[in-house]
Amino acid sequence: GAGVSQSPRYKVAKRGQDVALRCDPISGHVSLFWYQQALGQGPEFLTYFQNEAQLDKSGLPSDRFFAERPEGSVSTLKIQRTQQEDSAVYLCASLPRLNYNEQFFGPGTRLTVL
Amino acid sequence: KQEVTQIPAALSVPEGENLVLNCSFTDSAIYNLQWFRQDPGKGLTSLLLIQSSQREQTSGRLNASLDKSSGRSTLYIAASQPGDSATYLCAVRNTGNQFYFGTGTSLTVIP
Repeated sequence: GAGVSQSPRYKVAKRGQDVALRCDPISGHVSLFWYQQALGQGPEFLTYFQNEAQLDKSGLPSDRFFAERPEGSVSTLKIQRTQQEDSAVYLCASLPRLNYNEQFFGPGTRLTVL
Repeated sequence: KQEVTQIPAALSVPEGENLVLNCSFTDSAIYNLQWFRQDPGKGLTSLLLIQSSQREQTSGRLNASLDKSSGRSTLYIAASQPGDSATYLCAVRNTGNQFYFGTGTSLTVIP
């Protein structure tokens, strides 16, 4: 594809609801990163994948957050029992390989938890 | 943990002015530093990337410098235009494949 795509672009969830956010990386990109960007803040690292392997998940804020990339392409970030503090923009970025210099970002999913 | 700070948090300038955005980081053992632009409701667009061995990079009206030893980078924008209005983020990549972002500088260029 032309770039990284994310869906949905906007998601409103009631507190306690589970949500799933999707990232479609650029075709052929091996590495994929997830970030959380709270209002007025810079993106904060959540987790990253090399193909289907999740190499670092140290940034996930709690065990309610789960990410997967089962076939090494599309990735899903799942948040269980959403809380108001989960409200943020969730950004996905992909790279052709892990040691590539630049990240290519998607437009993000804005999650609002009521 | 790497801490990245950007000053100022917000900046408003008249069209045509030259301006400097600042980024500082606490751990000088970096792989590279990247400047991004973020428009409201949009993702991040890469502007310039400086490798740890480089001192500066230029693209059009933009010039980014890096002083790794002092933990500082600047983004210089020449002859600012209203279309430059956006939030500018710097991101440091450490040698462990993690990226650390600053909180950004919100720039408004007044016509």
